[in-house]
Formats: sequence, structure tokens, C-alpha cells
Amino acid sequence: GIQVEQSPPDLILQEGANSTLRCNFSDSVNNLQWFHQNPWGQLINLFYIPSGTKQNGRLSATTVATERYSLLYISSSQTTDSGVYFCAVEKEANSKLTFGKGITLSVRP
Amino acid sequence: DAGVIQSPRHEVTEMGQEVTLRCKPISGHDYLFWYRQTMMRGLELLIYFNNNVPIDDSGMPEDRFSAKMPNASFSTLKIQPSEPRDSAVYFCASSLWTGLFGEQFFGPGTRLTVL
Repeated sequence: GIQVEQSPPDLILQEGANSTLRCNFSDSVNNLQWFHQNPWGQLINLFYIPSGTKQNGRLSATTVATERYSLLYISSSQTTDSGVYFCAVEKEANSKLTFGKGITLSVRP
Repeated sequence: DAGVIQSPRHEVTEMGQEVTLRCKPISGHDYLFWYRQTMMRGLELLIYFNNNVPIDDSGMPEDRFSAKMPNASFSTLKIQPSEPRDSAVYFCASSLWTGLFGEQFFGPGTRLTVL
């Protein structure tokens, strides 16, 4: 099956810092989503981004499908950004999402 | 819309008991997914439905697990008999396939503890 690797596995930031989270995948994909799992366990949709670039406030994401990677940028980080960030890919149209292991982000005040 | 609704939010049961988890997808969505999250295995798909029909159940761990979707607004995941290794957070997700994309939206999850 398709492999999804996220890096770094853990990240500690000082509030206000910027960061880049990376997701590599082993095959062409039909769908790629970024999620934030908050400390209460809820999976929150950040981006649906099979290709191109999107921005939402302090967050932006870029997927280069031909090179099989996606990047999530967090600018001016806040303590509420803490949690686990998952990248998930879907190889065929509307089939299962395969999740990476996640990146644990801690933003310190 | 209220989003994907799951119940119960927490379930504690004893080994050997039957457990039923429930999910109401977002109205109008035609795909429904059941995922399980554990520390060891991360997030993994158990089964998914399209228009109430099971499409892929290859992720269901064993015969003790079963899932149904009797109508477009309700699905259940049943474990009988439950075992301690079934302890996990179970998520339900739904999506609408538009012919261009099908972003999946997740419910809050059910945290299952089997003693």
C-alpha cells in the first residue's frame, strides 16, 4: 500500500515562531488532507489539497503532486496550535485515507 | 449542519461484552468511513460505505467486528465479544463525492475501554 511519512516527528516552538511540516508519500494520489488533532482528540480539517497552494489565516499548505510531497506552514505560532498534525492521502477517488504517523507540535508561551 | 455525530463519546465495558458504536453522518454525504486510532497502529480504516453499501471491509480486524448502515443517516460498528486489545478511539467520517473531490469530515470519536 501507499506509504506516508511525516517529518519531523516532534517539534517544539516558542510562541510567535514559524514552522514547516512535511509529508512525503510513495505514490500518486487523488486526495491529500491535513488535519489537526487537538488535545481533546478531535480531528479538525485544515486543508484539502491534492495539488497547488492554499492559505487560511496563519496556515498555508502546498502540495507538489509530481514530486510526492506536501508542506504545511504555520506562521506566528500560538499555544492553541499545539497538538498533532496528520497528513492523509487517498490513492483512488473517494477510497480510504492512509494517514501518516503525525507530527506532535508543542508551542510554548 | 451539526457535523458528524457519534455516540457514545466514552464507553467502558468488560471483556466479553457486546459494544455498539453509533454514527450519524453529515446530511447529504454519500460516503461513510469507520477508523480506529491506537498508539501502536495510529489511524487506520476499518470499513467504508457508499450509499449505504459496504465497499471495503478489509480493515476489519476479525469476525468479532461488524458494521451496518441501514439508512443514509445512521451506521453502527459492533464488537462482539469485546477484548482489552479493542481499546481505542473509534472515529466515524463522512464525505460527499462531487466528481472532483471528496473531503472527509470526522466526528468527535468514541473512546472505548475494555477491561
